Amino acid sequence: EIVLTQSPGTLSLSPGERATLSCRASQSVSSSYLAWYQQKPGQAPNLLIYGASSRATGIPDRFSGSGSGTDFTLTISRLEPEDFAVYFCQQYGTSPHQYTFGQGTKLEIK
Amino acid sequence: QVQLQQWGAGLLKPSETLSLTCTVSGVSFSGYYWSWIRQPPGKGLEWIGDINHSGSTNYNPSLVSRVTISVDTSKNQFSLRLSSVTAADTAVYYCARIGWLGVFEYWGQGTLLTVSS
Repeated sequence: EIVLTQSPGTLSLSPGERATLSCRASQSVSSSYLAWYQQKPGQAPNLLIYGASSRATGIPDRFSGSGSGTDFTLTISRLEPEDFAVYFCQQYGTSPHQYTFGQGTKLEIK
Repeated sequence: QVQLQQWGAGLLKPSETLSLTCTVSGVSFSGYYWSWIRQPPGKGLEWIGDINHSGSTNYNPSLVSRVTISVDTSKNQFSLRLSSVTAADTAVYYCARIGWLGVFEYWGQGTLLTVSS
């Protein structure tokens, strides 16, 4: 099973600042199958990025994803108040067929 | 508009069986895999398993001995059964549609399961 490790566990920033969130895989992951989600309290996760770098429908362009192999990054260029939430990375493995998530990064207001 | 509406019991005793159902509307049921995911309070997400319209299933190896996912295409529904629950199964359970490139595109509202004697 591929393990995804996210860092930092908590990130304290101010609105307008840039956020960089990391997701590291225990073995190489196809970029096609790496995604990022945002989750706000009491809500289901919301898809932000798929294929490591493609924004999902309706996601603002301040969100961007990058990376390959075992290291992936979610960047939020200028934080808006509504961006403070928990972020998860997720990978899909085809052989065997399975899905795993990182433990999450909490982005909080400084 | 794609909607996933889920329901089921929210409080069980240890050793009982969890049953949840998710009804899909606004989108074709065929051609996709449909999944269950859970999230213990304050923790991360765990994929439980998935199923397609023809009933082909995949399960998380850590849960395979206790999990059954089934589908009723006539009602655009899929269901989760998790047997012999313990306190460790306390979590919010979500249903979701798996889209292109293995992403969870659409989610149900979540159901909190509490296991307590």
